[in-house]
Amino acid sequence: GIQVEQSPPDLILQEGANSTLRCNFSDSVNNLQWFHQNPWGQLINLFYIPSGTKQNGRLSATTVATERYSLLYISSSQTTDSGVYFCAVERDSNYQLIWGAGTKLIIKP
Amino acid sequence: DSGVTQTPKHLITATGQRVTLRCSPRSGDLSVYWYQQSLDQGLQFLIQYYNGEERAKGNILERFSAQQFPDLHSELNLSSLELGDSALYFCASSGPLAGDYSYEQYFGPGTRLTVT
Repeated sequence: GIQVEQSPPDLILQEGANSTLRCNFSDSVNNLQWFHQNPWGQLINLFYIPSGTKQNGRLSATTVATERYSLLYISSSQTTDSGVYFCAVERDSNYQLIWGAGTKLIIKP
Repeated sequence: DSGVTQTPKHLITATGQRVTLRCSPRSGDLSVYWYQQSLDQGLQFLIQYYNGEERAKGNILERFSAQQFPDLHSELNLSSLELGDSALYFCASSGPLAGDYSYEQYFGPGTRLTVT
């Protein structure tokens, strides 16, 4: 089956720093989503981005489908950005999302 | 707020027991998905329903079952519970399917199940 790898596994930054999270996938996908899981466990949709570039405030994402990777950019980090960021993909029209292991981000004040 | 609701938020029960988790999708969404997040397995897809019918099945144990009702809410039934079933269970929903591709999935707040 398709493999989803996220890097780095852990990231510790000072407030105000910028970061880039990466998601590599082993085959073509129909759907790619980025999520933020906050410290209370809630999964928050960030981007639905099977291809192209999107921006939402301090966050932006780019998926290069032909090269099988996606990047999530976080600028001017805030402590509320702390949590785990997941990339999840869908292929083969089987509807299920396949998840990466996540990047754990800690933003220090 | 994603618009997907799940009850209960927390559930503590003993081994061997049976529990039911409930999910209401976003208004207008026909698909409901169930996912399990455990410490050792990460996030895994369990099962999907579309407009009342089972559409896709993932790593769902035989002790687990689900259904989607005519009003589109869904229930996940977990029976003969074991310690390893302790996990966060998420429900997600998405809009009508176009061809074979799902749309963006929106997640509920989850039900944290603890089996003692």
